[in-house]
Amino acid sequence: GESVGLHLPTLSVQEGDNSIINCAYSNSASDYFIWYKQESGKGPQFIIDIRSNMDKRQGQRVTVLLNKTVKHLSLQIAATQPGDSAVYFCAESPYGGSQGNLIFGKGTKLSVKP
Amino acid sequence: EAQVTQNPRYLITVTGKKLTVTCSQNMNHEYMSWYRQDPGLGLRQIYYSMNVEVTDKGDVPEGYKVSRKEKRNFPLILESPSPNQTSLYFCASSWSGPKSEFFGPGTRLTVL
Repeated sequence: GESVGLHLPTLSVQEGDNSIINCAYSNSASDYFIWYKQESGKGPQFIIDIRSNMDKRQGQRVTVLLNKTVKHLSLQIAATQPGDSAVYFCAESPYGGSQGNLIFGKGTKLSVKP
Repeated sequence: EAQVTQNPRYLITVTGKKLTVTCSQNMNHEYMSWYRQDPGLGLRQIYYSMNVEVTDKGDVPEGYKVSRKEKRNFPLILESPSPNQTSLYFCASSWSGPKSEFFGPGTRLTVL
């Protein structure tokens, strides 16, 4: 089927290494951010979210870091596994989370080498 | 099983022939949203609904309509489809917006 990963930035990592996927957001008013994972042929999966009153949030094997000063978001995946291979999207809520708008980044393709 | 379902999963139609893509969730979520996904453009929000009878435009609402008459259903209506609406469509839901925590499997629409 058609690949959503065409022409995306690609990050290639060795199995077991840590991965860092970066995202720059555009709207200074955004105060809620989400990371999604999308495997080939499937719908996006929610991974983790963070509000702007936090700099860091940890989940299972994942950590999201937020730097509001430079409008930058990152997703760190510890001990990357082959099952982590997917396209990862960040998303921002541009109206301070008070409305239902969500704007997605273009995505980064993560490829895990065994 | 908690899920978001979409129907149909695949549809080929012709320009101008009205169609509806259904979306249903069984989690009693208040928030539902529609997205389209195109290569090189990523996911873009079409419409969202914060609750029953409350809908609002996303980034790309032109050519689409939605309704939210009951909490579980959020159909996407294309009154007069055009080829530029050929895309992969996803419905999503969550307890509150704009989280979009659960996505449906997608509907691949081709408009000839």
